[in-house]
Parts: sequence; structure tokens; C-alpha cells
Amino acid sequence: AQTVTQSQPEMSVQEAETVTLSCTYDTSENNYYLFWYKQPPSRQMILVIRQEAYKQQNATENRFSVNFQKAAKSFSLKISDSQLGDTAMYFCAFQGGSEKLVFGKGTKLTVNP
Amino acid sequence: EADIYQTPRYLVIGTGKKITLECSQTMGHDKMYWYQQDPGMELHLIHYSYGVNSTEKGDLSSESTVSRIRTEHFPLTLESARPSHTSQYLCASSEHSSNGYQPQHFGDGTRLSIL
Repeated sequence: AQTVTQSQPEMSVQEAETVTLSCTYDTSENNYYLFWYKQPPSRQMILVIRQEAYKQQNATENRFSVNFQKAAKSFSLKISDSQLGDTAMYFCAFQGGSEKLVFGKGTKLTVNP
Repeated sequence: EADIYQTPRYLVIGTGKKITLECSQTMGHDKMYWYQQDPGMELHLIHYSYGVNSTEKGDLSSESTVSRIRTEHFPLTLESARPSHTSQYLCASSEHSSNGYQPQHFGDGTRLSIL
């Protein structure tokens, strides 16, 4: 069974600085997707970024980028120029052949003014 | 924002009551999911459906049941609520794809509290 581990329960960053959230996973599959989801307090879970395992190029979405290391089974999220609106729980998730999402326990990120 | 709606947003109810949590999506997605999430914790899949009349249990055992009579509607029912059912319930949907990998879109969730 796949597992997803987020080793940082909580993190904080100053506004405009850069922060990196860690995620590792375990799988025997070769083709899969990895996701970062953002869940603001009392608000809807939304997709931040997606990475296809067969693509070597790291995905980027504006201020959000990932560092995908397939051999190391590592999938970290970098947020540049942090904004107050980035304050949220961030979940790393794995989707393999079963098409079901497996989530990590989440990292609570606080952006301080 | 995705067009997936959950009602009610909050529900406080006594033990033993029958509860139905509603989830509807207007995107025509074939796949729908229910997750259970305790405060500050990860999501656990409790039910999923890949189309009308298709329902499956997820990885986390749950006493709830679901039905999928229409594509857009995926309600979750608890026949007799207990305090252990207190949690947040998130509904999600995704589009069918030939490669099977499409991101899931989530509703706002229902925060359920059983007294």
C-alpha cells in the first residue's frame, strides 16, 4: 500500500519570503501522479499543483513549484514570495493505478506579516 | 472554484438520529468520493463511486452508506448517529480520463457534531 509522509506538522514564514514543505512517499508503482492541495481555514480544499511521475521536469504554477525526486520518492513544495493568503493546511497526495488519493497528514503553514 | 456543493455546512444533532449529508456537482463528473477528516488531520477515503449505480467502500471503515442514483448526486447517510461519527466529511469529484489521472475537486465540507 502507498504511504505519504509529511514530516513538518507546522511551519511559519514571513511575508515575501520563501518556504519549502517536505513530502515523501512510498510506492512500488512506476506511473502515478502527485498533488499538493491547499485547505485554508474553514474553506474549500483546492489543488495547488500536480506532477506526473513520468515527467522529469518539475511542475510550476506561478509562485508554487515542486522539487520532484523520483528515485528518492520525494516531492517538496516551494512557495516563493509568500503571501498572507497562503496561510493554510497543505496536503501532499499520491494517486496511482487504483485512482484513489492517499493523503499525508498535512503541514499547517502560517504566513506572518 | 469547482462547482461541487455540500449541505449542510454544519450540523449538530443528537445520538441515534438518521442523518443524510448531501453532495452535488454540476460538472458532469463520473467519479465521486467521500472523505472523513478529523480536525488538523489527513483525509481518509470512506466511499467512492465511478458512475451511476456504482458504489464502493474506501480504505477507512465507516458505518455510513452512500447511493449514486444520478450522476450529479452522491448523498451519504448515517442510519443512527453516534458521537464517534463527529468529524468533517468532504465530498469530491473528478472527471473520467483515459489515463485515469484527473485531479479531484472538493466541496466545502460538512462539519458534523453528534452530542
